[in-house]
Amino acid sequence: AQKVTQAQTEISVVEKEDVTLDCVYETRDTTYYLFWYKQPPSGELVFLIRRNSFDEQNEISGRYSWNFQKSTSSFNFTITASQVVDSAVYFCALSEYGGSQGNLIFGKGTKLSVKP
Amino acid sequence: DAGVTQSPTHLIKTRGQQVTLRCSPKSGHDTVSWYQQALGQGPQFIFQYYEEEERQRGNFPDRFSGHQFPNYSSELNVNALLLGDSALYLCASSLTGVSDTQYFGPGTRLTVL
Repeated sequence: AQKVTQAQTEISVVEKEDVTLDCVYETRDTTYYLFWYKQPPSGELVFLIRRNSFDEQNEISGRYSWNFQKSTSSFNFTITASQVVDSAVYFCALSEYGGSQGNLIFGKGTKLSVKP
Repeated sequence: DAGVTQSPTHLIKTRGQQVTLRCSPKSGHDTVSWYQQALGQGPQFIFQYYEEEERQRGNFPDRFSGHQFPNYSSELNVNALLLGDSALYLCASSLTGVSDTQYFGPGTRLTVL
């Protein structure tokens, strides 16, 4: 069965600190897709990144970076120089399909609080 | 470019009642998925609609049903409401075969008393 584990329930940091959110997944499929979404207090899930199982290259987008390691079934998310606006709940998700044709399996989320 | 929209924003019902939630997909998208998010939990997949048919369904009882219209908008219906149905209901849209990412709406907060 597919499963996503986000072991960190809550993280609190001070502005400008770097923070890493952990995500560990389980799947028997050889082809799968991993996602990160951000959920601010307003409730809407905001798409951050999609990665397929054949692409293990790390990705950087501004202050955000993602580390995908198939050997440890992990897809971790790092925010560099955190800002108060980064405060939100972050979800890691897994899909055996491309995402558009299948369901997303979410972890329980990590609540990040960035204090000024 | 309009994103995913949902209505209503909030809803209060009593046990045993029925409710209908609505979703309009992002412009150009043809697939709609519904998720239930209980407080403090990650979203759980209810079902997905494509070409006006239910394509995939999660582990939810038959009290949960849906519909997709020719303009790709969708409804989620829940009958015989239980207290445990209180949650944030999220709609996501995508474009089958082209875009592999689901984009979410702001959700409908349902409270069952």
